[in-house]
Amino acid sequence: NAGVTQTPKFQVLKTGQSMTLQCAQDMNHEYMSWYRQDPGMGLRLIHYSVGAGITDQGEVPNGYNVSRSTTEDFPLRLLSAAPSQTSVYFCASSYAPGQGTEAFFGQGTRLTVV
Amino acid sequence: GQQVMQIPQYQHVQEGEDFTTYCNSSTTLSNIQWYKQRPGGHPVFLIQLVKSGEVKKQKRLTFQFGEAKKNSSLHITATQTTDVGTYFCAGQRFGNEKLTFGTGTRLTIIP
Repeated sequence: NAGVTQTPKFQVLKTGQSMTLQCAQDMNHEYMSWYRQDPGMGLRLIHYSVGAGITDQGEVPNGYNVSRSTTEDFPLRLLSAAPSQTSVYFCASSYAPGQGTEAFFGQGTRLTVV
Repeated sequence: GQQVMQIPQYQHVQEGEDFTTYCNSSTTLSNIQWYKQRPGGHPVFLIQLVKSGEVKKQKRLTFQFGEAKKNSSLHITATQTTDVGTYFCAGQRFGNEKLTFGTGTRLTIIP
């Protein structure tokens, strides 16, 4: 039972490079989201999706793009990486958005931008 | 926008002592969830509270949801080394899909 799978686990980028963080879930969850975790800041919502074809911005969306072409996948794109995007990124999914169901998290991607 | 604050940010306790973390939302919540993140790990769901004034227990952990549904607390009795980690609350507003996380309380245990 895979749950939520994130790749890669670690990544080092140079300023200005682009990359995509992958997230896939096999639980047929409608709701998926991306968070970044920085020391003392908790988990901050970047983007989220309530179903295939629907995405919306969270608390800190600037510098990130998302798309949701299938129920299973929710990739996060960094178009031009900046040192301020050095962080740990978590993807999460849950069954029913807005109904208080638990979120399942991936293992995280530790990104360093130099 | 909605803000969820937690205090304290850090807590160091002797093994066997009790521990409490408090969560406060700027808006009324439809429900609140609690998560635990072990060092180097990912957040893992502990519990959800929905009703005003609700109290739930999981062994040594007691969770409360305030009467106004704007605050919550997690109390651990007689801490053990396995309790080490960061505890997050996360709230949802009525009719809003977004789950807003608190800033977290990092618990360390002194053996």
